[in-house]
Amino acid sequence: DTAVSQTPKYLVTQMGNDKSIKCEQNLGHDTMYWYKQDSKKFLKIMFSYNNKELIINETVPNRFSPKSPDKAHLNLHINSLELGDSAVYFCASSPGTSGFQETQYFGPGTRLLVL
Amino acid sequence: AQTVTQSQPEMSVQEAETVTLSCTYDTSENNYYLFWYKQPPSRQMILVIRQEAYKQQNATENRFSVNFQKAAKSFSLKISDSQLGDTAMYFCAFNAYGGSQGNLIFGKGTKLSVKP
Repeated sequence: DTAVSQTPKYLVTQMGNDKSIKCEQNLGHDTMYWYKQDSKKFLKIMFSYNNKELIINETVPNRFSPKSPDKAHLNLHINSLELGDSAVYFCASSPGTSGFQETQYFGPGTRLLVL
Repeated sequence: AQTVTQSQPEMSVQEAETVTLSCTYDTSENNYYLFWYKQPPSRQMILVIRQEAYKQQNATENRFSVNFQKAAKSFSLKISDSQLGDTAMYFCAFNAYGGSQGNLIFGKGTKLSVKP
């Protein structure tokens, strides 16, 4: 069984469109994350979220918004897509809410291509 | 600012040999955790090994071990008896108490190729 899953795996879309990437974890974890991996493979945190707190990396444009319908899901919505949004997006989760001492488990990634 | 530096963009090793990937980090925190993640061509991020900064003993996980030098802020990964399946990008990552909700800070990665 997949621990952290993401859909879709690939997403090709036109500039200006709005799209969503879904993430689900079946590990019973309390905290979920979104990371962006750029074309040079550099990984950077975008958001972390537990049922109490959303922390946003200040460099993330407000066109990106995470939405969590429940503890097992953290979806990523992107409005008005731009060419520079092309990247691989990873969802991750960790067991508790303390964050720093916990191992994060990653999903398989979603490759987004904006044309 | 907390940073992680991997100075070797690419490395190669012959199958069955040993290779060491380097990682240095910068932080003023005393309480933190370090990780090595592997990303094979499948793109999946897989945890290889983790190290708690308060532990002096180096972590080991089968063929993978680390050399953690806290004073030097160095955290290298040694892969023994390299296998073809070890071919991947390897990312060093850092996570400190007092940082942003435990968000991992990654290095830029080292691309390791294991040759038959």
